[in-house]
Amino acid sequence: QVLLVQSGAEVKKPGASVKVSCKTSGYSFTSYQMHWVRQAPGQGLEWMGIFNPSGDTTTYAQKFLGRVSMTRDTSTNTVFLEVSGLTSEDTAMYFCAKDDVLTGAPDYWGQGTLIIVSS
Amino acid sequence: SSELAQDPTVSVTLGQTVRITCQGDSLRSHDASWYQQKPGQAPVFVMYGKNIRPPGISDRFSGSSSGNTASLTITGAQAEDEADYYCHSRDSSGHYGVFGGGTKLTVL
Repeated sequence: QVLLVQSGAEVKKPGASVKVSCKTSGYSFTSYQMHWVRQAPGQGLEWMGIFNPSGDTTTYAQKFLGRVSMTRDTSTNTVFLEVSGLTSEDTAMYFCAKDDVLTGAPDYWGQGTLIIVSS
Repeated sequence: SSELAQDPTVSVTLGQTVRITCQGDSLRSHDASWYQQKPGQAPVFVMYGKNIRPPGISDRFSGSSSGNTASLTITGAQAEDEADYYCHSRDSSGHYGVFGGGTKLTVL
């Protein structure tokens, strides 16, 4: 079955960077794009971008341009999200979610990775 | 504010029918998908477009769309349906994804 397993929670200081991993299994890794979505405490879902593991191409939401990077490791079927220049406003749960090629909608989701930014 | 507008809260009496709506200009060109999220859990994909239900999702959930509004209907709401519901689609440019602000459904 499709599984997305994300890395564990992290606490970071303002100005630092964080790299979240999303290890996939149960489907053809390069055949499906991956969404990244975040959710600040008590807030709604926020779409960050979508990554194509096949062509190593990405579409980033305008808000995150220049501060976010999405990459992949095809040897381990893992995608990564790196966020730099962290501020307290980046404190959130970060989710990876596989794209459903027929609908273009995120279908299977990882369990989430909590990133806390605090001095 | 999001390009997709949802009512922040909706309530329904146990066993009754409830409709959760999502409004936005981009919905005239792009279908919406719907997600259920319970506290402390990842979202679950429950509906796409005009009534395409992922495997394992109860047939109490149905979807529809008209003009700039997409709807998720729950027929015979159960206590376990109490959750936050989010719509997702493309933004007005068509290049980026966007979520609605979410609707907190309370089952009375």
